[in-house]
This record gives sequence, structure tokens and C-alpha cells, in this order.
Amino acid sequence: DVKVTQSSRYLVKRTGEKVFLECVQDMDHENMFWYRQDPGLGLRLIYFSYDVKMKEKGDIPEGYSVSREKKERFSLILESASTNQTSMYLCASITLDTNQPQHFGDGTRLSIL
Amino acid sequence: AQSVTQLGSHVSVSEGALVLLRCNYSSSVPPYLFWYVQYPNQGLQLLLKYTSAATLVKGINGFEAEFKKSETSFHLTKPSAHMSDAAEYFCAVTQETGANNLFFGTGTRLTVIP
Repeated sequence: DVKVTQSSRYLVKRTGEKVFLECVQDMDHENMFWYRQDPGLGLRLIYFSYDVKMKEKGDIPEGYSVSREKKERFSLILESASTNQTSMYLCASITLDTNQPQHFGDGTRLSIL
Repeated sequence: AQSVTQLGSHVSVSEGALVLLRCNYSSSVPPYLFWYVQYPNQGLQLLLKYTSAATLVKGINGFEAEFKKSETSFHLTKPSAHMSDAAEYFCAVTQETGANNLFFGTGTRLTVIP
């Protein structure tokens, strides 16, 4: 069974801090994604990666960056956290076959004070 | 561009009643469609998927969905609601340009009344 693990379930940080959210998958999936989830807005794609060291902007990349140094790990970075980045963050991974669903981690609820 | 519309951000049903959660999509090419469920404080779990095979798709926990091309719909149903079905449900469609990106609807929160 595919396992997508996000390093923290809950995180509290202060405005201006640099924040790292980590995601690891154990199924050798090529593609990995970071979403944020907000009430009434559903899931919005921040960044995705289709290979090591490759990244593509999603719909709302502003204020974020990502890193994929190893195939199994995809990190989301908030360069200078702001209160409007308080949200639930979800990581997902998928193999190249578009017939297959994305597999999600349990999410990180991030609060920026 | 592809998009998904979920009608009704909140739906309430009585235990044992029919569950109907609506999803309409827009796509210029045959889509792949998914329903995900999210229980409190958890990530998203796949309920079912449509990938151009049978138009009536059966998923986990007694849910099913029917792909209707003429109506561009992929509504989720369950004949008899159970208390454990209370959750948030998301419909999603694949992006045309590949990379397995999904476009998600805004979600429907299902409440089951005892």
C-alpha cells in the first residue's frame, strides 16, 4: 500500500520565519504535489514535481518554493511566512500512469502567528 | 482548461436516506474523474474513479458514481447513508496537459442526521 508521510500534523510558526514542510513517499512515484486546502476553496495546487530537481508552478505559487533532491522526498518552503499562509497543506504522489489516482498524506495544519 | 463544480457546499441527510452529491465538469477531451473523501484531520482517500471504461463506477463503502457525458456530470450516490459517511467529499478531474495534475472542486461537507 502506498504511504505518503508528512513530517508534521500540526505546526505553529511566527510571521517572517522560514518554514519547511516535508513529504516522503515510499512507492517510487515520479510525480509529487503540494496543495493547500482552505474552507470553501477546495484544494489548490501550489507546486508539483515530475522528477528529481524538476519543479513546476501550480495555481498559487507566490510565497512558496519547493525542493526535490531525492525522488521520494518533496519539500515545501515558505520563505518568509505570513498570516495568510495559515492553512492545511496536503502532499500527494502519483505514478506516471494517468489512470491511477493520487495518493495523499494526512496533511499538515500550519498556523502562522 | 478543465474545471469542476460541486453544487452544494453542505448536504444533510438522515441516516438511511439516499446520498446524492453533485459534480459537473468541463473538459474538451475525455476526462478522468475521481471522488475523494476526507474524514476529520485526515488526508484525502480515493472513493472511486472513472477512466473511460464502464460509465457506472462502484467504489468503496457502498458509494457509486455515474459518468454522463451528455450532462457533463459525475454525481456520487449511496442508497443508504450511515453515520460514518459524515465527511467532506471532493470531485476531481485530470488536467488536459498531463502530468497527472488534478483540478478539485470546492468540496461538499456531508452531515448525517441520526
